[in-house]
Amino acid sequence: DQQVKQNSPSLSVQEGRISILNCDYTNSMFDYFLWYKKYPAEGPTFLISISSIKDKNEDGRFTVFLNKSAKHLSLHIVPSQPGDSAVYFCAASGASNTGKLIFGQGTTLQVKP
Amino acid sequence: AAGVIQSPRHLIKEKRETATLKCYPIPRHDTVYWYQQGPGQDPQFLISFYEKMQSDKGSIPDRFSAQQFSDYHSELNMSSLELGDSALYFCASSLRFRGTDTQYFGPGTRLTVL
Repeated sequence: DQQVKQNSPSLSVQEGRISILNCDYTNSMFDYFLWYKKYPAEGPTFLISISSIKDKNEDGRFTVFLNKSAKHLSLHIVPSQPGDSAVYFCAASGASNTGKLIFGQGTTLQVKP
Repeated sequence: AAGVIQSPRHLIKEKRETATLKCYPIPRHDTVYWYQQGPGQDPQFLISFYEKMQSDKGSIPDRFSAQQFSDYHSELNMSSLELGDSALYFCASSLRFRGTDTQYFGPGTRLTVL
């Protein structure tokens, strides 16, 4: 049972344009959501997070939006750069009180020069 | 800034052998998490420790055990290795496990079981 879903395995955008990565979740107990970026053979790198009490969080080129009623969050990258090309994982925590993360399947972003 | 350190980075073992993976959390972080990522899969939670006590357990086989030591480093011990144990093993650390604390990941240990 995949509690966190990233339905788009891959996304290709042109440099300078906006990249939008989507994530859906099923467990209403999740109260903290994170996005990680991952290169092959490296560990996930934390990008940005959002608490369930907010609907938007912004950090430089990265903005995360949370729609609790739809159980949906998205990561916007503006403007996209070739160095953003990587696998992006959405993760959620809060279903237990131990902080363990439940990950989505990942979306491979390719930013073309 | 100091990051999470994992050793070794690569490990090759035969079936039925044992392996020990080590994790050194970010200084002052008190919580350690272990995740397993199989080929083409998302990371799966294995086990976590807070202040040297096990705090949660996920899909970790009985053949695996782990602990967190007084200096907060953690070790994942894997026995009777099987081919299916081949994966990337990530350690992450955070400051307390209240569910809203960001986890920072190490570079991972790639375990190959032959």
